[in-house]
Amino acid sequence: ETGVTQTPRHLVMGMTNKKSLKCEQHLGHNAMYWYKQSAKKPLELMFVYNFKEQTENNSVPSRFSPECPNSSHLFLHLHTLQPEDSALYLCASSASLGVGGNQPQHFGDGTRLSIL
Amino acid sequence: AQSVTQLDSHVSVSEGTPVLLRCNYSSSYSPSLFWYVQHPNKGLQLLLKYTSAATLVKGINGFEAEFKKSETSFHLTKPSAHMSDAAEYFCVVLQTGANNLFFGTGTRLTVIP
Repeated sequence: ETGVTQTPRHLVMGMTNKKSLKCEQHLGHNAMYWYKQSAKKPLELMFVYNFKEQTENNSVPSRFSPECPNSSHLFLHLHTLQPEDSALYLCASSASLGVGGNQPQHFGDGTRLSIL
Repeated sequence: AQSVTQLDSHVSVSEGTPVLLRCNYSSSYSPSLFWYVQHPNKGLQLLLKYTSAATLVKGINGFEAEFKKSETSFHLTKPSAHMSDAAEYFCVVLQTGANNLFFGTGTRLTVIP
């Protein structure tokens, strides 16, 4: 039990589909993150939310749309994705932002996304 | 700017022998450094962290890492490898003043019985 739950674990979708990834954290944290993990590449930070407000958009294409309705839930809405978007999408949370390394990030197990 | 370089993409050791996973960092300020481990089909789990306290940091599962400023290194070690240590290991530096992590490309550890 990591405290951060991601659903679904696996998702296969066509380029014209619309789907959403869900992340829920049970740790009482206030900051949440989306990362993309592709083969042979470093983990890429996509979005950061702090107290439900987006604080970072790391030049992510608009076909990825995040939503953070409360501090415990984070969604990633997907539409008209490309084959290169196939990757493992990881959600993480931390107690808060900007306080240095004393509040590490806790990761979910990820959603393996495959675009046909 | 912060970055990390993991010098080996793949390390293979025999069970019971020492493990050394190498990491060099680049940071404009005193960095916060982490090692994370990722087992197959799992998310990342924090192994240990350095935040300007003791330079030798002990983590979970018998791992430790030593921060060497003169060498800008933060290598991960374990005296005796166990089969369950087979995984991908990521060296990570924290962006100063924020909570944005910069990840290395990872080192895959294989443990041979």
